[in-house]
Amino acid sequence: KAGVTQTPRYLIKTRGQQVTLSCSPISGHRSVSWYQQTPGQGLQFLFEYFSETQRNKGNFPGRFSGRQFSNSRSEMNVSTLELGDSALYLCASSVQALSTEAFFGQGTRLTVV
Amino acid sequence: GEDVEQSLFLSVREGDSSVINCTYTDSSSTYLYWYKQEPGAGLQLLTYIFSNMDMKQDQRLTVLLNKKDKHLSLRIADTQTGDSAIYFCAKSGGSQGNLIFGKGTKLSVKP
Repeated sequence: KAGVTQTPRYLIKTRGQQVTLSCSPISGHRSVSWYQQTPGQGLQFLFEYFSETQRNKGNFPGRFSGRQFSNSRSEMNVSTLELGDSALYLCASSVQALSTEAFFGQGTRLTVV
Repeated sequence: GEDVEQSLFLSVREGDSSVINCTYTDSSSTYLYWYKQEPGAGLQLLTYIFSNMDMKQDQRLTVLLNKKDKHLSLRIADTQTGDSAIYFCAKSGGSQGNLIFGKGTKLSVKP
């Protein structure tokens, strides 16, 4: 069974640009959560999607948004990029919302210059 | 508030046991997790325990939970160089239904 797939693995963007990251969950999993990992703040929750609906959102500005498609694949978008958005963005998939087990992808390393 | 704390570094010799500690706040029933992150990689779920349990063992891994002190530990028996990584303690039940992570403990295994 394939794991959680995140694309691209690495990305370099310029301040002010926007970026879209993709996450394909494990087959049969319907919940996708996104986390931002930085050396200073650690792992912080961005949002969770289940059945194409955003169930929960963390404390991030509106520049961070996401969506989920009918096949459970999810995308997150960051607009008007800032230097502080440089981070590893991790996606986790679960069978259902608030599931016991969450499985993470390899992450997308975003660098904003 | 909700918080998970862990020491930042641990160094052990190959073949010894490693014990990584974590404390958490909040008295709600919760699941407690250990994740492993190798350089340049995502998070690998190692094991988890429900907060009404005392212990869980899985091959070389033993999780101990002191419910009274809200103290969780991960013991790795016969630690190998391949165990070198950052280990994250996490709890479920965040205010947005999310996982709350500690800052991670960097385990270095010396040959």
